[in-house]
Amino acid sequence: GAVVSQHPSRVICKSGTSVKIECRSLDFQATTMFWYRQFPKQSLMLMATSNEGSKATYEQGVEKDKFLINHASLTLSTLTVTSAHPEDSSFYICSAFRWGQETQYFGPGTRLLVL
Amino acid sequence: KQEVTQIPAALSVPEGENLVLNCSFTDSAIYNLQWFRQDPGKGLTSLLLIQSSQREQTSGRLNASLDKSSGRSTLYIAASQPGDSATYLCAAPDSSYKLIFGSGTRLLVRP
Repeated sequence: GAVVSQHPSRVICKSGTSVKIECRSLDFQATTMFWYRQFPKQSLMLMATSNEGSKATYEQGVEKDKFLINHASLTLSTLTVTSAHPEDSSFYICSAFRWGQETQYFGPGTRLLVL
Repeated sequence: KQEVTQIPAALSVPEGENLVLNCSFTDSAIYNLQWFRQDPGKGLTSLLLIQSSQREQTSGRLNASLDKSSGRSTLYIAASQPGDSATYLCAAPDSSYKLIFGSGTRLLVRP
């Protein structure tokens, strides 16, 4: 299977600050990446679809001005949580979509704690 | 719109039992279906990927079946072990390649 990395794996920040999470596809070019959020004891919920060279597509209820997504290269998508608040504390997981296989490969996740 | 449901939500079995986890999906026009394992506080581990043209996939003690016509998939775990304790997630794509996840089955295998 393909390898997708995320950085950082864990981050603790103060309320009101911004946090950037990186998602890298290490062994294939990914024009499409996805960002998910998982709250404790819940399943993964899709936040947005990240498209290389164009604007991200957000799911209903996800604030695009709060969760900024940039997909500037074929191997990197970033999610920036702006003005983070305690309720943004969650597990954020990205995936890279491999066309031809029509399969998503998942990163290991980033645990965000906002104090 | 694709919806994925998993039952049971939780399962506790003694070691050695064979068990079946169920997944149902509403939109049968899928090109594949995936089963994942998630340990507490960890990311996803892909277990099995079944293509729409396949009826089942096997990996070690795991066997996943897919019946598109009925909108169902099952994950069969043979001779369960305490190390199998985890949450098992089923995911099916919608028409735009987004993955829709079920709420998971939390499995506990007692020694």
